[in-house]
Amino acid sequence: QQQVKQSPQSLIVQKGGISIINCAYENTAFDYFPWYQQFPGKGPALLIAIRPDVSEKKEGRFTISFNKSAKQFSLHIMDSQPGDSATYFCAASSYKLIFGTGTRLQVFP
Amino acid sequence: ETGVTQTPRHLVMGMTNKKSLKCEQHLGHNAMYWYKQSAKKPLELMFVYNFKEQTENNSVPSRFSPECPNSSHLFLHLHTLQPEDSALYLCASSQLRRGDEAFFGQGTRLTVV
Repeated sequence: QQQVKQSPQSLIVQKGGISIINCAYENTAFDYFPWYQQFPGKGPALLIAIRPDVSEKKEGRFTISFNKSAKQFSLHIMDSQPGDSATYFCAASSYKLIFGTGTRLQVFP
Repeated sequence: ETGVTQTPRHLVMGMTNKKSLKCEQHLGHNAMYWYKQSAKKPLELMFVYNFKEQTENNSVPSRFSPECPNSSHLFLHLHTLQPEDSALYLCASSQLRRGDEAFFGQGTRLTVV
């Protein structure tokens, strides 16, 4: 019940395309859903986060869509750029962060 | 930089060695965490310290021994490790609130030979 399932494991997108990463959870006590971005040699850094009282949050090219009834949330990266190439982790939290397995995104020019 | 500093960045140790990882946060946070990151596995929470007190140990083997002398410093003491313990060890800190952002250090890449 503490798991967060993330897919796909890897994603290749052309520059300008839309990158979509999906996550699903079971524990209804989770009340905070962040996405972290990790570049090689660096620790994860918070990208964007959402709480379950809203269905969507947008920050620049990054959007979280949240479906509380389905217990699913996703990250959309619009107009994907080569600089977005990184590993993305979804997470869910009530008082501690539980991470998904990560998605390695590669954006080709 | 995130305000969380980990040293060393890289460590190679033998199975009979004893070494320590260090983490320091400059953010005024009151909670600190150790995570283990292995290839193709989720980030695994190892230990949680709130106000210097250990509040969580996620069934971590005793060859990993954490120490939190104050709310700004966190150590992970290592002894008699196994090759499967090779991984990236990440320290993070946050304010002790539900759903608050965790700030990560750059990690220590540990190789056990």
